[in-house]
Amino acid sequence: DVKVTQSSRYLVKRTGEKVFLECVQDMDHENMFWYRQDPGLGLRLIYFSYDVKMKEKGDIPEGYSVSREKKERFSLILESASTNQTSMYLCASREGQGPETQYFGPGTRLLVL
Amino acid sequence: AQTVTQSQPEMSVQEAETVTLSCTYDTSESDYYLFWYKQPPSRQMILVIRQEAYKQQNATENRFSVNFQKAAKSFSLKISDSQLGDAAMYFCAYRSRAGKSTFGDGTTLTVKP
Repeated sequence: DVKVTQSSRYLVKRTGEKVFLECVQDMDHENMFWYRQDPGLGLRLIYFSYDVKMKEKGDIPEGYSVSREKKERFSLILESASTNQTSMYLCASREGQGPETQYFGPGTRLLVL
Repeated sequence: AQTVTQSQPEMSVQEAETVTLSCTYDTSESDYYLFWYKQPPSRQMILVIRQEAYKQQNATENRFSVNFQKAAKSFSLKISDSQLGDAAMYFCAYRSRAGKSTFGDGTTLTVKP
């Protein structure tokens, strides 16, 4: 079974802190994604990566950056956390660009105070 | 840009009955992929069913089936013989040939015993 893991299920941070969310997948997938999930807004794509050291902006990249130094790991960075970044963050991975299944991690619920 | 609309924020169904969740999308592309994902409470999002737009035949996975109307840009999910374990938030998703996914806002399904 494909496994996508995220470093924390719950995280509480202060405004202005630098926050790292880590995601690891174990199936050698090329593509990895970071979404945020908010009630009534569905899933919105923050950033994605289709290869090591490659990254592309999604629909809402402002206030975020990413890092992919190894194929299995995709990190989301909040340079200076703000209260409007309180959300559920979902990582996902998949093999190709076609109809392949996209596998999701369990999510990190981030609260910024 | 593609949009995905799920017009039913909440639905409920009696155990063993059938329920249909609605999804419409907007695109100018002729070839794409459509998905339904299930997110149980506090659990990972998983794929329920997928449909490739060039296929006229509606996809079926056990108790789950879709009604894909390409001209109407409609992609509804039918759950037959509903079970308590079907209770979850369901997301409809569109994926372009380039690999970019767009998700709807989700429908919360309650199953009554």
